Amino acid sequence: DIQLTQSPSFLSASVGDRVTITCRASQGINSYLAWYQQKPGKAPKLLIYAASTLQSGVPSRFSGSESGTEFTLSISSLQPEDFATYYCQQLNSYPYTFGQGTKLEIK
Amino acid sequence: EVQLVESGGGVVQPGGSLRLSCKASGFIFSNNWMHWVRQAPGQGLVWISRVNSDGRSTSYADSVKGRFTISRDNANNTVTLQMNSLRVDDTAVYYCARDGYSFDSSGQYYNYFDFWGQGTLVTVSS
Repeated sequence: DIQLTQSPSFLSASVGDRVTITCRASQGINSYLAWYQQKPGKAPKLLIYAASTLQSGVPSRFSGSESGTEFTLSISSLQPEDFATYYCQQLNSYPYTFGQGTKLEIK
Repeated sequence: EVQLVESGGGVVQPGGSLRLSCKASGFIFSNNWMHWVRQAPGQGLVWISRVNSDGRSTSYADSVKGRFTISRDNANNTVTLQMNSLRVDDTAVYYCARDGYSFDSSGQYYNYFDFWGQGTLVTVSS
């Protein structure tokens, strides 16, 4: 199985900050990586797919990039509604796997 | 508007069975693969199963293989997860998700989980 390791697990930041979350895959996944945002008690919401393609309707302050087996999700200027937990997911091969999550909290 | 609505969750004793359903609307159901993902209380997301468009091909996580069965009814826009031999560690919120897909400028296919249901809670406890 492909392992995804997210870092950090917890992130404290302020409104207006720029933050970056990293997801490392245990082997190559050919850009088959998605990012999701989840708020408490809610279903995950797709933000980015194919490592860097923004899902329709998602604000442009979210962006994704990749370098080999390292993927990053960046939020350019945090808004109050962005405080949530973020997950990466690989869709290169079954079983599809998720990172353990990064909880973004208000400082 | 795409909607996925799960049902069938509840409390069951270890060794028991439950059948979860996910009713889809707002899109041509037979065009998309479907998945089940679960989330134990306070934990992360775990993919557990998928079914292809016509229901003839399925995949499972090792943790549920041989105990859970995914199926779909394209006439009724429903995907089902039959869960047998339930264990305490199957306790989770279960989500169904649509496998969306698109092609980039070079024709490369990419998929992702673009719509999710609200989840249904399964509690396995004696």
